[in-house]
Amino acid sequence: DGGITQSPKYLFRKEGQNVTLSCEQNLNHDAMYWYRQDPGQGLRLIYYSQIVNDFQKGDIAEGYSVSREKKESFPLTVTSAQKNPTAFYLCASSIFSGSFHGELFFGEGSRLTVL
Amino acid sequence: AQSVSQHNHHVILSEAASLELGCNYSYGGTVNLFWYVQYPGQHLQLLLKYFSGDPLVKGIKGFEAEFIKSKFSFNLRKPSVQWSDTAEYFCAVNAPGYSSASKIIFGSGTRLSIRP
Repeated sequence: DGGITQSPKYLFRKEGQNVTLSCEQNLNHDAMYWYRQDPGQGLRLIYYSQIVNDFQKGDIAEGYSVSREKKESFPLTVTSAQKNPTAFYLCASSIFSGSFHGELFFGEGSRLTVL
Repeated sequence: AQSVSQHNHHVILSEAASLELGCNYSYGGTVNLFWYVQYPGQHLQLLLKYFSGDPLVKGIKGFEAEFIKSKFSFNLRKPSVQWSDTAEYFCAVNAPGYSSASKIIFGSGTRLSIRP
């Protein structure tokens, strides 16, 4: 079935360690996104990419890094520089036409806990 | 700064009551508008969207939303809620031209609890 696959679903990390969250899509979408969801704060945009080998910072990019080497994949690295990394991370994709994004399709999310 | 505001953080209604959830955004010009819903334990999914045309948009499960450009609003409505509508609802906006690359911004969400 077509969709977005995020892994791992749950992840525990010690302080000072980097961790990479995987996101793969088989919807042939050009655009991919990473959001962070915290209670009472909605979804905040970390990074997004409209095309392979290009990506832009969102509103809360500090302490995160991404790559977009393939259309299907958009991994997110949570670095030790991220001050408050414990959160629920959502990956999404959409078509991108002209300057508009279409409907977002979301993965199941990855819950990261820093011990 | 670009923003999307959902002023109702938690709404509690009885079954069969009418619902209206507010959403305001801070952009001018052309926008795409969305409402997403997250049922307990499920993916975020699209409820409805507005790109152009009729400002009254109908979505799934009896929901509708009205785009009022002069008020920068896109409020979500349902005439009679059911217990199964218990979920978190997010408004989102795509506003190209306000940054080097357009992006989709979400509001903080409204948690809807329906009493059976």
